[in-house]
Amino acid sequence: SYVLTQPPSVSVAPGKTARITCGGNNIGSKSVHWYQQKPGQAPVLVIYYDSDRPSGIPERFSGSNSGNTATLTISRVEAGDEADYYCQVWDSSSDHQGVFGGGTKLTVL
Amino acid sequence: EVQLVQSGAEVKKPGESLKISCKGSGYSFTSYWIGWVRQMPGKGLEWMGIIYPGDSDTRYSPSFQGQVTISADKSISTAYLQWSSLKASDTAMYYCARLIAATSGMDVWGQGTTVTVSS
Repeated sequence: SYVLTQPPSVSVAPGKTARITCGGNNIGSKSVHWYQQKPGQAPVLVIYYDSDRPSGIPERFSGSNSGNTATLTISRVEAGDEADYYCQVWDSSSDHQGVFGGGTKLTVL
Repeated sequence: EVQLVQSGAEVKKPGESLKISCKGSGYSFTSYWIGWVRQMPGKGLEWMGIIYPGDSDTRYSPSFQGQVTISADKSISTAYLQWSSLKASDTAMYYCARLIAATSGMDVWGQGTTVTVSS
């Protein structure tokens, strides 16, 4: 089955830029979706189809995907961005199912 | 407003059966796939399976095939996740979510249902 690899944690100072990566074999050929999950809450979609933002998601959130790495970029990080972030793709090779990365804890210093 | 509302928290004993629900509103329930996601305590998200309420086409992740049953009743816009014999390892938060498209991401999530299995 397809494996997505995320760093367990990323730390960033307020006002700086955070980049969270999601690695997978030729992930650039797949569509990547990103979710934000704050403690005690359900996940929220923040980026879909690599770089599209749902309505209500700040422009500070952006995404890119190429080669073996997809990246979620959060510009001008705020304290309220502290959360777990998960990438997700569809594995059409063998399982025909969605696959989540292990998640990245974003800490705002 | 598009929303998915899940049934309340459950506390069960090992070996018992359980069916939790996810009711959709504010959109055409039969036109979007619904997925179920497990989150064990302190852990990440796991994809369990999906169902298309329009025709009940159902697909399971290999890890959950045979362990759970996903179903839907389109007449009441509700999807279900059920177990015939719970184990302690089924203790988790379970989310339902609407898929943007058949092989895509999830744009609307339920609030989650906590399932606790303990003797």
